[in-house]
Amino acid sequence: GQNIDQPTEMTATEGAIVQINCTYQTSGFNGLFWYQQHAGEAPTFLSYNVLDGLEEKGRFSSFLSRSKGYSYLLLKELQMKDSASYLCAAHGSSNTGKLIFGQGTTLQVKP
Amino acid sequence: EAQVTQNPRYLITVTGKKLTVTCSQNMNHEYMSWYRQDPGLGLRQIYYSMNVEVTDKGDVPEGYKVSRKEKRNFPLILESPSPNQTSLYFCASSFFGNTEAFFGQGTRLTVV
Repeated sequence: GQNIDQPTEMTATEGAIVQINCTYQTSGFNGLFWYQQHAGEAPTFLSYNVLDGLEEKGRFSSFLSRSKGYSYLLLKELQMKDSASYLCAAHGSSNTGKLIFGQGTTLQVKP
Repeated sequence: EAQVTQNPRYLITVTGKKLTVTCSQNMNHEYMSWYRQDPGLGLRQIYYSMNVEVTDKGDVPEGYKVSRKEKRNFPLILESPSPNQTSLYFCASSFFGNTEAFFGQGTRLTVV
């Protein structure tokens, strides 16, 4: 079957670092997306990992291990505006447009 | 301005009354997709289209239809809506399935 798992909720303190994990099992795998979604808004793109390793983009980094079916999103120097849901999504195959999303992780940043 | 436009933003309808939610993008994207978002279930893909006249089922296609007659438009059709289709719907587009997707603002549908 196909499954994406991520924690439902996380809490962290302003200025800290937080890691949001995502594990996936899909029939075919091409890459993994991370999206951010603020309450009441549409998701916005954060990253797409195809190869193993860490990709850094400012305060946000994303890691992928294809052999372990595992990814994480790392947020540094947390700000209050980072309070949002973070969605992990697996792209099943380059020949199809199928995308499987996890249920999302709601991150609350506290002062 | 590059955008994905969905209409309507909010809709309340009755069971069995056919409706269409429109989606249009102005970025010349090949790939378009529809999702529904429900609490505790996350985003689930309904249908996607990799090009004009090419559509395919996502994970939850039952009760929905789509068409892709032109590149910019990808309407979602509910022929006979039922209460279990009450949800928040998002349309998205991207150059390909493995590139950054741009989402519309969402359509909140209530079927009574």
